[in-house]
Amino acid sequence: KAGVTQTPRYLIKTRGQQVTLSCSPISGHRSVSWYQQTPGQGLQFLFEYFSETQRNKGNFPGRFSGRQFSNSRSEMNVSTLELGDSALYLCASSLEATGIAEAFFGQGTRLTVV
Amino acid sequence: GNSVTQMEGPVTLSEEAFLTINCTYTATGYPSLFWYVQYPGEGLQLLLKATKADDKGSNKGFEATYRKETTSFHLEKGSVQVSDSAVYFCALSGGDSGNTPLVFGKGTRLSVIA
Repeated sequence: KAGVTQTPRYLIKTRGQQVTLSCSPISGHRSVSWYQQTPGQGLQFLFEYFSETQRNKGNFPGRFSGRQFSNSRSEMNVSTLELGDSALYLCASSLEATGIAEAFFGQGTRLTVV
Repeated sequence: GNSVTQMEGPVTLSEEAFLTINCTYTATGYPSLFWYVQYPGEGLQLLLKATKADDKGSNKGFEATYRKETTSFHLEKGSVQVSDSAVYFCALSGGDSGNTPLVFGKGTRLSVIA
């Protein structure tokens, strides 16, 4: 079966712009989580959605937001981009809430802010 | 809150050498413990997991034992191959905090030379 699909794979944006990243989970998975990966901070949790409801939220400013649709697909949005938002953004899907069931990761979207 | 500490890298080994990557955690109760691997340009893949004390997770020749008394989950492999070159992440979820997102260590880069 198809894995977790993230689009786009690469993105270059200018400071001050906004960006939307997309994640299609494995069919049947109801939980989608987002992580930011940077060389300095490592992997940091952004938020988790389960059946269209945000279950958990990490310690990121309000510029970072997300949502999940009825088909479990998820999007995350970053507004007013800053240079420090340059990172690999990873999406993970799981059958149930993360931690209970195995999380499957997508290949990520590499965002570069210039 | 929950946290994971793993040995800093990079680690460089010759093919067929023994590998140990140390991982210790801070959490109350009995969290689930994981090792994820990230190959260049890819997302994270679950390598192995353990969900209760004294459990041993194993996969592809890698092993890790859940040690509650030392709050550790060290990754070992008896004979590494060039194809094992990747970044390895120790992670945990759950414990007395309930269903929590994955918390990752900083990652350890392993390079295996022929």
